[in-house]
Amino acid sequence: DQQVKQNSPSLSVQEGRISILNCDYTNSMFDYFLWYKKYPAEGPTFLISISSIKDKNEDGRFTVFLNKSAKHLSLHIVPSQPGDSAVYFCAASGGATSGTYKYIFGTGTRLKVLA
Amino acid sequence: GAGVSQSPRYKVAKRGQDVALRCDPISGHVSLFWYQQALGQGPEFLTYFQNEAQLDKSGLPSDRFFAERPEGSVSTLKIQRTQQEDSAVYLCASSSRDLRETQYFGPGTRLLVL
Repeated sequence: DQQVKQNSPSLSVQEGRISILNCDYTNSMFDYFLWYKKYPAEGPTFLISISSIKDKNEDGRFTVFLNKSAKHLSLHIVPSQPGDSAVYFCAASGGATSGTYKYIFGTGTRLKVLA
Repeated sequence: GAGVSQSPRYKVAKRGQDVALRCDPISGHVSLFWYQQALGQGPEFLTYFQNEAQLDKSGLPSDRFFAERPEGSVSTLKIQRTQQEDSAVYLCASSSRDLRETQYFGPGTRLLVL
């Protein structure tokens, strides 16, 4: 039972354009969401997070949007740069099942930014 | 400052062999987590420590998996009698507190069981 889903395994975007990565979740008790970026042979690197009391959080080129009614969040990267090419993981926590500390991860989306 | 470090980075084990994976968290971080990442999947929670106390081990797949953090800093994940399905990347993460503090991950140990 996949509680956090990233339905697009891969995405290609031209340099300078917007990258939009999507994530859906099923557990309405989740109240904290994060995005991590992962390069090959490295651990996941924290990018940005959002609490369920907000619907948007922005940090430089990265913006996360949360739609609680749709149980959907997205990560926007604008403008996209070749160095953004990596695997992006969505994660969620909160509620009785996962608790406040246990991150539930999606399967990742591989982003390729074309120069 | 130094991030989370893990050793070894790569480990090849014969089926039935015991292995020990080490994690050095960020200095001063109270909370430490172990995750298992299978090929093509996202990380999956294994266990959680707050200082030296193991508060949650619900993700450990079997009693062959054992984790400890005796002095509240370095942690070791031990897998006894390894099996092929144990092949994965084992990630360690630490955070300064458990509630809503971002978890920072190490580079992982890639374990291959032959």
